[in-house]
Amino acid sequence: DAGVIQSPRHEVTEMGQEVTLRCKPISGHDYLFWYRQTMMRGLELLIYFNNNVPIDDSGMPEDRFSAKMPNASFSTLKIQPSEPRDSAVYFCASRSGYMGNTIYFGEGSWLTVV
Amino acid sequence: QKEVEQNSGPLSVPEGAIASLNCTYSDRGSQSFFWYRQYSGKSPELIMSIYSNGDKEDGRFTAQLNKASQYVSLLIRDSQPSDSATYLCAVNYEAGNTPLVFGKGTRLSVIA
Repeated sequence: DAGVIQSPRHEVTEMGQEVTLRCKPISGHDYLFWYRQTMMRGLELLIYFNNNVPIDDSGMPEDRFSAKMPNASFSTLKIQPSEPRDSAVYFCASRSGYMGNTIYFGEGSWLTVV
Repeated sequence: QKEVEQNSGPLSVPEGAIASLNCTYSDRGSQSFFWYRQYSGKSPELIMSIYSNGDKEDGRFTAQLNKASQYVSLLIRDSQPSDSATYLCAVNYEAGNTPLVFGKGTRLSVIA
């Protein structure tokens, strides 16, 4: 069974550009999470969805960040405009609400904003 | 503020020794606890979960939970160089389907 799939794996962009990160959760999972990881702050939850509905976006750092989940198999995290301090690894993770609290991570999107 | 604290390390142990990784959490109502391993440049992967006080063993790994002390640990017996990674402690603070809160991780180095 395929795991969580993220794209792009690596992105280098210039400050001010729009960045869109994509995620396909594990089939059948009804929870989807977006985390950001930096050396200084570790893994931080940005937003999570249940059955495609955003439940808590209090971790989204600024209005420049937005996330959508139009259907059960696809989510996007958008940064517009991007800034150098957004450079981080962005992980998407998913979980089945019926099988405990273990979450499964995608391979991450490594973002560098120059 | 719900927090999970870990010593950042690095923790260096010789091959074959027991590595002991520790984690404390801030909320007594926490329900479930997880250890993830993250190799450099890779995503976190689940090693173990523990829900009740006491020890839980899985192969070379033992998770220990003490809810009264708000403390969870991971022991790795017969450490191997392939165990060198960052170990993340994660806590589910509420019953039900709420997100995990992660510590910043402890970097373990197993010296051959």
